[in-house]
Amino acid sequence: GAGVSQSPSNKVTEKGKDVELRCDPISGHTALYWYRQSLGQGLEFLIYFQGNSAPDKSGLPSDRFSAERTGGSVSTLTIQRTQQEDSAVYLCASSFTGATGELFFGEGSRLTVL
Amino acid sequence: AQKITQTQPGMFVQEKEAVTLDCTYDTSDPSYGLFWYKQPSSGEMIFLIYQGSYDQQNATEGRYSLNFQKARKSANLVISASQLGDSAMYFCAMREGMTGGGADGLTFGKGTHLIIQP
Repeated sequence: GAGVSQSPSNKVTEKGKDVELRCDPISGHTALYWYRQSLGQGLEFLIYFQGNSAPDKSGLPSDRFSAERTGGSVSTLTIQRTQQEDSAVYLCASSFTGATGELFFGEGSRLTVL
Repeated sequence: AQKITQTQPGMFVQEKEAVTLDCTYDTSDPSYGLFWYKQPSSGEMIFLIYQGSYDQQNATEGRYSLNFQKARKSANLVISASQLGDSAMYFCAMREGMTGGGADGLTFGKGTHLIIQP
């Protein structure tokens, strides 16, 4: 489809393992965002990419979290040495750069750290 | 201070009644945009409606309208003639600055869990 695509939709891992979450934004969208949503909570900003500019990493909770965006399109969020508190739904969104700036969200990747 | 405040953690409403979901915001930027998103149990975030800070009229999209009271920094979502399918989490969000993507995208409130009863 033409929407934001995220994979995997569900990931169960053991504490201490590394995980990678992938986001494929809508074609032509220059801005890409990662958010985290813990159970029953709102969305917590993690990182923002705009075109080829350096990303805004101000929301990353620790140095175990990193993200890259290759070729201005697909993005990968990596969590190293996962902890139980990392369990959450990780949502990716993309948008045009414009006045309204509506964000289009993917369906999220649900991460469970045992 | 929280930038987006949603004071109703949960609401129960009878089907076909109108619903008002509260949202207040805090910003010193004269240019900003306000958004409402719906998140059903499936988890996807669905954009509902947008209001720009310089818009003269309240935004409307079908059964959704935004009651924008700029002086009170209030942006309540009104759903007319509620339906069972409206049961979901509803998030109010703000982007500060009208141009560009913004350094941090949208700032979200904690959400309101709306349950429509038959």
